[in-house]
Amino acid sequence: EDQVTQSPEALRLQEGESSSLNCSYTVSGLRGLFWYRQDPGKGPEFLFTLYSAGEEKEKERLKATLTKKESFLHITAPKPEDSATYLCAASGNTPLVFGKGTRLSVIA
Amino acid sequence: NAGVTQTPKFQVLKTGQSMTLQCAQDMNHNSMYWYRQDPGMGLRLIYYSASEGTTDKGEVPNGYNVSRLNKREFSLRLESAAPSQTSVYFCASSEWEPPYEQYFGPGTRLTVT
Repeated sequence: EDQVTQSPEALRLQEGESSSLNCSYTVSGLRGLFWYRQDPGKGPEFLFTLYSAGEEKEKERLKATLTKKESFLHITAPKPEDSATYLCAASGNTPLVFGKGTRLSVIA
Repeated sequence: NAGVTQTPKFQVLKTGQSMTLQCAQDMNHNSMYWYRQDPGMGLRLIYYSASEGTTDKGEVPNGYNVSRLNKREFSLRLESAAPSQTSVYFCASSEWEPPYEQYFGPGTRLTVT
């Protein structure tokens, strides 16, 4: 059975304190790894797609990387507006399997 | 472009009542999806439609039916609502291959009493 596990469940950072969110997956024949951001009361917003191990994508303070077993979302010098829940999802034999998310709080 | 729209935004039902959640997308995507999101459970796929005219079960299809009305619209029906179906429901759309990212609607918050 395809599974996606995210850690930590919650992360509290000071503004400017860089860190990483982890997404480990066991998916048969990974076809794509996706990162989303979700603000309270809203639908998930697409951030990145990674297709193969070694691939990296960047957007502002966020950088996503992929290995054969896990993906990391690195947040460099975060700001309070980066506070949100970050979701990881993997596509193998099923359309998408989501992790439970990491709830990030960035304190000014 | 409105993207993915969902109606209604909020709904309260009594146990046993039925209702249909509506979803429409204006991005000309072939594939559409219905998810539910519960605290501590993450997003779970209920049904999906890879292309117009096809539908398939996801992880948690029991108690739900879907209709792909045309390329733009995909509806989710609860025939006899149960308290266990209290959740936030999201519709999404995407292209199917290779796979592409999904774009989500704003959600419907459903409470069944």
